[in-house]
Amino acid sequence: KQEVTQIPAALSVPEGENLVLNCSFTDSAIYNLQWFRQDPGKGLTSLLLIQSSQREQTSGRLNASLDKSSGRSTLYIAASQPGDSATYLCAVNYGGSQGNLIFGKGTKLSVKP
Amino acid sequence: GAGVSQSPRYKVAKRGQDVALRCDPISGHVSLFWYQQALGQGPEFLTYFQNEAQLDKSGLPSDRFFAERPEGSVSTLKIQRTQQEDSAVYLCASSLAEAFFGQGTRLTVV
Repeated sequence: KQEVTQIPAALSVPEGENLVLNCSFTDSAIYNLQWFRQDPGKGLTSLLLIQSSQREQTSGRLNASLDKSSGRSTLYIAASQPGDSATYLCAVNYGGSQGNLIFGKGTKLSVKP
Repeated sequence: GAGVSQSPRYKVAKRGQDVALRCDPISGHVSLFWYQQALGQGPEFLTYFQNEAQLDKSGLPSDRFFAERPEGSVSTLKIQRTQQEDSAVYLCASSLAEAFFGQGTRLTVV
């Protein structure tokens, strides 16, 4: 069964810290991997999309890496801010444009001012 | 439109009532997905459309759940005879390569 696991389930850090969120997946034959942010009561906002041929993607203070051979991705957030507080979800796509996403349960991040 | 739009945002239904949830995808997006997200969990796949064709409905939890996309644009997820375990957020996503999600419909069955 294809599964996605996110560790830790929750994380609380002081403002300004750099932090890493982890995502692991059981089947390495992925098409792409996507990181999302979800605020309470809201939908999902796409942060970064990494194709299977890529090793990393960057957007502002966010950097996502992908290591297919080990079945892992990390989301690095630099200089965290209280506005970064949200749940971060990792999702793996095995089927391309027709493929549904398989999600982890998310990491709930709280950045304290 | 600029993004994926879902309506209603919130729905309270009495147990046994039928509900219909609407999704307006991003214009031109061929692929449309429905997901169910229980409290504290990640979204779980329900069904997939390519244009008007429903190519995968393996995630629908029971035959009370039905989805359609008759003209290859707007999609409706219908739940018949709602049960308390149907309470969740229902998310719609449209995609070319990257998935874009709507705000979701929070369904509460009482």
